[in-house]
Amino acid sequence: EVQLVESGGGLVQPGGSLRLSCAASGFTFSSYWMHWVRQAPGKGLVWVSRINSDGRSTTYADSVKGRFTISRDNAKNTLYLQMNSLRAEDTAVYYCARDSRAFDPWGQGTLVTVSS
Amino acid sequence: QSALTQPASVSGSPGQSITISCTGTSSDVGGYNYVSWYQQHPGKAPKLMIYEVSNRPSGVSNRFSGSKSGNTASLTISGLQAEDEADYYCSSYTSSSSYVFGTGTKVTVL
Repeated sequence: EVQLVESGGGLVQPGGSLRLSCAASGFTFSSYWMHWVRQAPGKGLVWVSRINSDGRSTTYADSVKGRFTISRDNAKNTLYLQMNSLRAEDTAVYYCARDSRAFDPWGQGTLVTVSS
Repeated sequence: QSALTQPASVSGSPGQSITISCTGTSSDVGGYNYVSWYQQHPGKAPKLMIYEVSNRPSGVSNRFSGSKSGNTASLTISGLQAEDEADYYCSSYTSSSSYVFGTGTKVTVL
């Protein structure tokens, strides 16, 4: 069964940092591009970032460019999102998703709350 | 990148058909056949329903269909059922090599 499990969310103060992880199983992780998508409480989905299969190419939404870094460890079947200089508006559930000609499947999400 | 425009809500009676629109620009929806649709029930992760405009993943009911004309994509749900009540989001690849989601549509089964 293809599965994605996010972890690493929590409460962080404005200006702080957090690293999210997404553990993949049930498929050949190193063959797929991967994405992070977020959803603020009660709001819609927003694409955050993507990384290609070997980790050498990344793209970011303007809202996180320069603050967030996507990476992956294909030996550990794990995707990461390093989030620095966090702001209140970064508060959201963060989902990882596989790129299979669309976002599919999705993990269950991990909640990041930025507040003092 | 501005969000794609979807109606805030659409409703229908059981058995009826409804259509959700998703309007973008020539830099996203109109420029690529990489439009997908997602269903999200409260408190759950999104689920892929349609990819590349009109393709249905295995396991998704054939009551769901997608199409595109110009800068507007559409999702049609036929034979509406209670379990279809959820939020629906469209998504498109963009000319900036990024992705954009729609504003979301709440589907209510009357």
